[in-house]
Amino acid sequence: QLQLRESDSGLVKPSQTLSLTCTVSGDSISNGGYSWHWIRQSPGKGLEWIGYIYHSGSSYYNPSLKSRVTMSVDRSKNQFSLKLTSVTAADTAVYYCARGGNGGGFDIWGQGTLATVSS
Amino acid sequence: EIVLTQSPGTLSLSPGERATLSCRASQSVSSNYLAWYQQKPGQAPRLLIYAAASRATGIPDRFSGSGSGTDFTLTISRLEPEDFAVYYCQQYGSLPRTFGQGTKVEVK
Repeated sequence: QLQLRESDSGLVKPSQTLSLTCTVSGDSISNGGYSWHWIRQSPGKGLEWIGYIYHSGSSYYNPSLKSRVTMSVDRSKNQFSLKLTSVTAADTAVYYCARGGNGGGFDIWGQGTLATVSS
Repeated sequence: EIVLTQSPGTLSLSPGERATLSCRASQSVSSNYLAWYQQKPGQAPRLLIYAAASRATGIPDRFSGSGSGTDFTLTISRLEPEDFAVYYCQQYGSLPRTFGQGTKVEVK
């Protein structure tokens, strides 16, 4: 059974870079032509889609975050990653990784990891 | 960007009652590529419905989705205690993908 797990981020200082990795277990990230996504949720708020990447490395980022986001994939480790630069308190959120299902929507999610931006 | 507006913000109902949640899009959702999710406190969202009306794997048949174009509905035919949660709609017909702000279904 496919599972996703985000790395811990913890505390990040303002203006620094938030780095997260999502480890895929139970199948190869290269199988099935799925898209791999990052989504965040600020405390007590709704969901914001950050972007996606394919195992080929092809990616798309939300224009609202595009200037600060980079995603990458490491097929040898079955992982994909997110880097968010120049963070502020507004970037404090639970960050989820998720798989884009073949039928549509995000069908498998990680448990989420809280990233707090504070000095 | 497609803006999704969910209503009502909160729905207060009793177990056994029917819940009807609305999601309205600012423009037509391509191919009716609209999904619904359930989220409980401290948990990741769970996919319930995709392509407006198709139930995801393992989702009970008391959950149903309908609609097309700009107006979509999630119906829970008879609320079970475990159904009290926040529900989000999301469109994947165009980029960027967007979510609605959520509807909370609470116990009356």
